[in-house]
Amino acid sequence: DTGVSQNPRHKITKRGQNVTFRCDPISEHNRLYWYRQTLGQGPEFLTYFQNEAQLEKSRLLSDRFSAERPKGSFSTLEIQRTEQGDSAMYLCASSLAPRVNEKLFFGSGTQLSVL
Amino acid sequence: AQTVTQSQPEMSVQEAETVTLSCTYDTSENNYYLFWYKQPPSRQMILVIRQEAYKQQNATENRFSVNFQKAAKSFSLKISDSQLGDTAMYFCAFGNNDMRFGAGTRLTVKP
Repeated sequence: DTGVSQNPRHKITKRGQNVTFRCDPISEHNRLYWYRQTLGQGPEFLTYFQNEAQLEKSRLLSDRFSAERPKGSFSTLEIQRTEQGDSAMYLCASSLAPRVNEKLFFGSGTQLSVL
Repeated sequence: AQTVTQSQPEMSVQEAETVTLSCTYDTSENNYYLFWYKQPPSRQMILVIRQEAYKQQNATENRFSVNFQKAAKSFSLKISDSQLGDTAMYFCAFGNNDMRFGAGTRLTVKP
């Protein structure tokens, strides 16, 4: 198992464009989380899935953000009409439920820069 | 809502010495988990240690140990025999159905 994989590693886009990130969790993990992290801050929870069901969304997740996990495996996070304030590292993590507090395995993140 | 507070933005320690990082949290729940994660410059988050709230015994993991005070909602991390490779951001996290992180403490181990 190669761990949690995120693509792309870096994304530079112009304000107003749409971007999509992909996360491939560890294969047997049924929980998948998305976090956003700005420099010098801790990760901020965005949303999480159990299998294909999106169980919780943070208030941080405005209507420009949408996440999917259509088959309960990989997940995508799309940001529409990007703004400069969206610039951050987007982290994906996975774990095995029902032991939801098994440690999270994190990917290396996607660094988004909005110009 | 659960909140996690790390009051020490930066700390430093001499190699081989001991350092303690502080964390407090707020929750109305009784069953939960607490974690310390390490994020080195590579930015890959790595679990350091985990504590289950229903266990009174403090967790230990080699050079890392915690002081868990449930009534005070305090969860500090002690690093013994600090090594240069311990230099990183350290995040305290509260977990139940999801995971909430503190703002982090930047630890520098000096040779």
